[in-house]
Parts: sequence; C-alpha cells; structure tokens
Amino acid sequence: NAGVTQTPKFQVLKTGQSMTLQCAQDMNHNSMYWYRQDPGMGLRLIYYSASEGTTDKGEVPNGYNVSRLNKREFSLRLESAAPSQTSVYFCASSTSGYGYTFGSGTRLTVV
Amino acid sequence: AQSVTQLDSQVPVFEEAPVELRCNYSSSVSVYLFWYVQYPNQGLQLLLKYLSGSTLVKGINGFEAEFNKSQTSFHLRKPSVHISDTAEYFCAVRETSYDKVIFGPGTSLSVIP
Repeated sequence: NAGVTQTPKFQVLKTGQSMTLQCAQDMNHNSMYWYRQDPGMGLRLIYYSASEGTTDKGEVPNGYNVSRLNKREFSLRLESAAPSQTSVYFCASSTSGYGYTFGSGTRLTVV
Repeated sequence: AQSVTQLDSQVPVFEEAPVELRCNYSSSVSVYLFWYVQYPNQGLQLLLKYLSGSTLVKGINGFEAEFNKSQTSFHLRKPSVHISDTAEYFCAVRETSYDKVIFGPGTSLSVIP
C-alpha cells in the first residue's frame, strides 16, 4: 500500500541546473498537486492537475513546469534552478479534493 | 480570494493538559475545511475534515474541531495531549466549487513532559 511516492528524497543542485521531481500514486485518484513548503509560509500550490491530460497554475508557478504523464504520474520540472527554489516539495493526490494524501517530500537545496 | 490564518505560530503545552489551535478563514462562499498534521521529516497526514452536516467533527488521535460559520473559524481541540502529539498542524480550506486547497502557515505544537 504505497500511496504517494516521491523521488528523489534529497537533491542538491547548482544554480542554473535542471531537474525533474517524480511523483506517482497508486490510489486511482483523479487529482494531483505539487506544493512547496517554506518556513512560516505553510504550503503553497505550484501546479495541479484535476485529471489526466489537464494542468493548471497555482499560487507560485513561475520557474516550474509540470507533466501529467498518465493517471498515476505527475512530474515537476525546474528548468533553471535558482536559490529561491530551495524548499521542501510535496506531491499530493485526491479524489475531488475531499482530503489529500501526501508523499513524504523532496528536500531540494539550490546553491 | 480565500485565505487561512492560524493565529498562533507556536503553542507549548504540558502533557495531559488540554489544547486549542486556532484557525480562521476568509471566503464568501461555501467551503470545506481540513486539519492536517506533519510529524518531523514526514509528509502531511489528514487529521479531520468538515464537508457538511454536524459542525463538530471528530478525527484521529482524539482530536476534534468545530466549524463556526458566523465567525469563519475551525478551531482544533484535544482534551489531553500526549508527547507524541508534538508536531506541526496545518489548517486548510477549499471552496466547494473549486478543486484547490489553501493552507495556513501552520502551528507548531510542543508538548512538554
């Protein structure tokens, strides 16, 4: 019973490098989300996908892109990493938003 | 636009004492309300939710919350806390017709032995 799986768990990037954060869920949920968590700011929505084939911007989409590859997988890409993107990233999934299931997070440091 | 305020960033409380974590939201339409808990170095876990019906909602680990529409509040309570309740607690709100959840900044609960 894996739930939501995120990879990698930790990553250090140099400014300007690119990377993709992977997320997969095995609960047959329609909706998937990417959040970032910063101290004192709670979780802020980056992008979300209400269903396979659709994506929409959240509160803080600048500097990120997403792909909903299929119903299970929702990836987040940083094309040119910046120190301001140092954060903990969480993927979540839900059925119609009635409560999310979260992954364990990816701790990203950009130097 | 909807927003969530958690009035206390840190709440220290002695073991076996009661605790209340406060949450207020702003929205002009019907909402769903949630409380999540985050233990150190883990993801968030759903504690309880209000969708409709009774305004007193019971969740896991002995927590409960009361929805007050007139005061736009959804405070979380537990009558007797345990050391294992030490964690970060997040209040969240979602408009019923809109599939996005907005989180508050979090309240750090520290239970003192």
